[in-house]
Amino acid sequence: AQKVTQAQTEISVVEKEDVTLDCVYETRDTTYYLFWYKQPPSGELVFLIRRNSFDEQNEISGRYSWNFQKSTSSFNFTITASQVVDSAVYFCALSPPIIQGAQKLVFGQGTRLTINP
Amino acid sequence: KAGVTQTPRYLIKTRGQQVTLSCSPISGHRSVSWYQQTPGQGLQFLFEYFSETQRNKGNFPGRFSGRQFSNSRSEMNVSTLELGDSALYLCASSLVGRTNYGYTFGSGTRLTVV
Repeated sequence: AQKVTQAQTEISVVEKEDVTLDCVYETRDTTYYLFWYKQPPSGELVFLIRRNSFDEQNEISGRYSWNFQKSTSSFNFTITASQVVDSAVYFCALSPPIIQGAQKLVFGQGTRLTINP
Repeated sequence: KAGVTQTPRYLIKTRGQQVTLSCSPISGHRSVSWYQQTPGQGLQFLFEYFSETQRNKGNFPGRFSGRQFSNSRSEMNVSTLELGDSALYLCASSLVGRTNYGYTFGSGTRLTVV
């Protein structure tokens, strides 16, 4: 079975601080995909990144960066120079291999991030 | 390009009633999946449809059902509503192929059962 753990339930920082959201996953599959989504108060899940299990390169997109480490089954997300608009709930998710084409996401419990001005 | 559209946005129902939620995927996306989000259980997978066939189902009772139409639009139905069914129901659409193309979510339908 697959499992995603986001140990940090809530994080509160002051604007311009850097913040890292942790994500640890469990799976026996050798092929899988990892995702990060942002959920603002409006409720919609906004896609941030997708990572294939074979691609361990870290990625940077503006103020966002992701550190994927297969050895520790972690896929951490860092926001540099945080802004108030970054306040949201962030979800890490795992997608098992596509069996007969079926697709599903297993989500972590989410981390509520509050950026204070 | 229009996103994933879910209707209605808000719904209030009484225990014992049934409800139908609708999801229109992004044009060209043929896979539609549904998720339930509650404060206690978080985000849980309900089911996934492709070509009008349910390919995968989560651990939910038979009161939760769905279907997909030939134009890829999907509906989910919950019969004999219980208070615990109060949740945000999210729909996601995806391209289908040999790889995982990722998922685009709608804004959700917030169901309140009283």
